[in-house]
Amino acid sequence: DVKVTQSSRYLVKRTGEKVFLECVQDMDHENMFWYRQDPGLGLRLIYFSYDVKMKEKGDIPEGYSVSREKKERFSLILESASTNQTSMYLCASSLGAGGADGYTFGSGTRLTVV
Amino acid sequence: AQSVTQPDIHITVSEGASLELRCNYSYGATPYLFWYVQSPGQGLQLLLKYFSGDTLVQGIKGFEAEFKRSQSSFNLRKPSVHWSDAAEYFCAVLNQAGTALIFGKGTTLSVSS
Repeated sequence: DVKVTQSSRYLVKRTGEKVFLECVQDMDHENMFWYRQDPGLGLRLIYFSYDVKMKEKGDIPEGYSVSREKKERFSLILESASTNQTSMYLCASSLGAGGADGYTFGSGTRLTVV
Repeated sequence: AQSVTQPDIHITVSEGASLELRCNYSYGATPYLFWYVQSPGQGLQLLLKYFSGDTLVQGIKGFEAEFKRSQSSFNLRKPSVHWSDAAEYFCAVLNQAGTALIFGKGTTLSVSS
């Protein structure tokens, strides 16, 4: 089975800190995605990547950046964490373009910014 | 802009009863449609998907969904719900650019005994 691993299940960070969320997939998928999930808002796309060193903004990229130096790893960076970035962050990968064959999700990282 | 609407925020169903979760999408062409389930504290798991062909698709865990173009709907069904089906369910559609999925806001299913 494809596995998507997010390095931390829970994180607590202080306002203004630079935060790194890591995601690794083990099935050679081209496409990787970062979403945030908030109650009543569903999943919203932050950034995605369709190849190494390639990245595209999603619907809510402000305050975030990403890095994809290797095919298997896709990192989400909060440049200066703020309390409104407290959320569940979900990483996903797919073989087909854009997730047309469906995503495989990680278990999520629940980030609290205090 | 494309969107996915799940009209029901929360549904409670008795164990053994049938289930239908509603999903409507806005998209002109034939969409790529998905249903995912999220158990508490977990990531999302793909239940089923529709691309083309037979409009009734079968998924895992006994779920099925029917694509109705005339109603722009892709409703999820299960004939007999089990307590373990209690979870949050998300409908999704591939965006027009073909680059990522757009998700609905989710429906929380509770199962009563």
